Amino acid sequence: GQQLNQSPQSMFIQEGEDVSMNCTSSSIFNTWLWYKQDPGEGPVLLIALYKAGELTSNGRLTAQFGITRKDSFLNISASIPSDVGIYFCAGPRGSGNTPLVFGKGTRLSVIA
Amino acid sequence: DAMVIQNPRYQVTQFGKPVTLSCSQTLNHNVMYWYQQKSSQAPKLLFHYYDKDFNNEADTPDNFQSRRPNTSFCFLDIRSPGLGDAAMYLCATSRGGTDGYTFGSGTRLTVV
Repeated sequence: GQQLNQSPQSMFIQEGEDVSMNCTSSSIFNTWLWYKQDPGEGPVLLIALYKAGELTSNGRLTAQFGITRKDSFLNISASIPSDVGIYFCAGPRGSGNTPLVFGKGTRLSVIA
Repeated sequence: DAMVIQNPRYQVTQFGKPVTLSCSQTLNHNVMYWYQQKSSQAPKLLFHYYDKDFNNEADTPDNFQSRRPNTSFCFLDIRSPGLGDAAMYLCATSRGGTDGYTFGSGTRLTVV
């Protein structure tokens, strides 16, 4: 089945640094979604991407839908302590009304 | 605020004792999903309902059942919980298609 590979698995950064993480697949996706999960909570949708090449921002977050439709990246600028959490990429595993498949996540730690 | 609510937040059950987790939504979304998430792993889809149509994942154990009596409510029944079923259980909803999911805060299940 379709799989999403996220890298890095985890990262430790200093407060104020910029962060970049990505998500790749061997299959084409028509939608890319980025979620953040705080400890003990459900994931929250950060950014949704629907078109190849699309670049979308949400505050300090920017995500891009790769031209090949097989990858996406998420950037966080000027990180702050509340950015700590697990970031998941996700995409529908088929066309029509098919459920999302999730990557294994990137765990972000911010050192004040 | 429209939302997805899961009850309880924490559930402790005995090995082999049936347990039911509940999820309700005020979003009037067509689709409801149940995911299992073990520590530091991606959410794993157990099943989903598109309206009243039930869709079971091929690798979901028979021990897991679900009911959706109406649009707003969905239940996850674990008939005979084993130690390996200890996990966070996430309910999510969507309008279907490529719409992103709205997750509840999850129920953390402990089996003793």
